[in-house]
Amino acid sequence: DTEVTQTPKHLVMGMTNKKSLKCEQHMGHRAMYWYKQKAKKPPELMFVYSYEKLSINESVPSRFSPECPNSSLLNLHLHALQPEDSALYLCASSRLSGSNDNEQFFGPGTRLTVL
Amino acid sequence: KQEVTQIPAALSVPEGENLVLNCSFTDSAIYNLQWFRQDPGKGLTSLLLIQSSQREQTSGRLNASLDKSSGRSTLYIAASQPGDSATYLCAVKDNYGQNFVFGPGTRLSVLP
Repeated sequence: DTEVTQTPKHLVMGMTNKKSLKCEQHMGHRAMYWYKQKAKKPPELMFVYSYEKLSINESVPSRFSPECPNSSLLNLHLHALQPEDSALYLCASSRLSGSNDNEQFFGPGTRLTVL
Repeated sequence: KQEVTQIPAALSVPEGENLVLNCSFTDSAIYNLQWFRQDPGKGLTSLLLIQSSQREQTSGRLNASLDKSSGRSTLYIAASQPGDSATYLCAVKDNYGQNFVFGPGTRLSVLP
């Protein structure tokens, strides 16, 4: 299995809702990433998990809460989002974030719309 | 702080042409560089990863080169096809962090 899966594909939520995005990989990768991508812009890093521990938080607002329950699964919990948080949320994984051979593999993304 | 730029921002070519996409980075102390393609509204597909010790990598009609000292990488696409139409992004992993820094991308259109 050489793919990263993300669910759901699309999500529409109100500003008072609580929802979660899910990402899964079975390639034995020990680094997992959340990126946010606005239209016609490159992906912006949000969080990096290395060996199931949060290693990078790029000053992301607390309304985004990541969780890595095990080495294959990465969640992003959403609460009290703003309309400007509407974007494509991409998950990626790599063998090991600090190594030279850390090719990143991306999932298809979740298209989030906040009303 | 590492900054990555890509030229051109957009490119439109007739089918069959060979083309070159450029990626520049400001800090030459990199671990590696990765090229991706992205179709509209989709995730990123990895094309090639070049380690800092390598000069080039090839996959099918794609060839990527790396010149660390000048802070440049090029992606060469031979005999372009309409199916190559997408946005191409380069991303650099530097020695100081655990993440890739992305360039803004080149939007390629290959016309039949």
